Amino acid sequence: NAGVTQTPKFQVLKTGQSMTLQCAQDMNHNSMYWYRQDPGMGLRLIYYSASEGTTDKGEVPNGYNVSRLNKREFSLRLESAAPSQTSVYFCASTARDREGEQFFGPGTRLTVL
Amino acid sequence: KNEVEQSPQNLTAQEGEFITINCSYSVGISALHWLQQHPGGGIVSLFMLSSGKKKHGRLIATINIQEKHSSLHITASHPRDSAVYICAVGSNTGNQFYFGTGTSLTVIP
Repeated sequence: NAGVTQTPKFQVLKTGQSMTLQCAQDMNHNSMYWYRQDPGMGLRLIYYSASEGTTDKGEVPNGYNVSRLNKREFSLRLESAAPSQTSVYFCASTARDREGEQFFGPGTRLTVL
Repeated sequence: KNEVEQSPQNLTAQEGEFITINCSYSVGISALHWLQQHPGGGIVSLFMLSSGKKKHGRLIATINIQEKHSSLHITASHPRDSAVYICAVGSNTGNQFYFGTGTSLTVIP
């Protein structure tokens, strides 16, 4: 069991470039999440997916899009990266929505110049 | 707005000391989570609880639903306990988790 995997681990972008962060889980979990973590702030929810084919906005969705490709995979796309999107991004999954234990990926450290 | 508040923000302890980290929240919850984030950045779940008390080894988590307060205790602290401890709550309305800003713990040998 790999748990939750994320790629890439590190990325540097120039303003205006686009990229997709990949996340996959092998625990057959229904719910998946994308968070960003910034210094001095708690983890903040970007987007959420309760099940395959459904996605919902979280606290800070502007500038991001997501795709729940299948039950295993949940990707996060930055269409036109901005310096304000410099952050550490974590993907997580739970078996039973917000009542379940969260399993986190190792994180992606993104720098936008 | 801070739905989850933790204290203290930073904590330094001598090896062997008893440690308490506090968490207060302002929303209705389905469950409260304690997470541990190591210097390398990885986040692991320590506890999920909705009432009472749970214990794993030297770690104990308690929650008082009426007072909207939880505590994480570490007995006989060890340098390997040095990490950031994060309190999070799953809201009972909508599909949202709220996170505290974390408590950075350093245990000195």
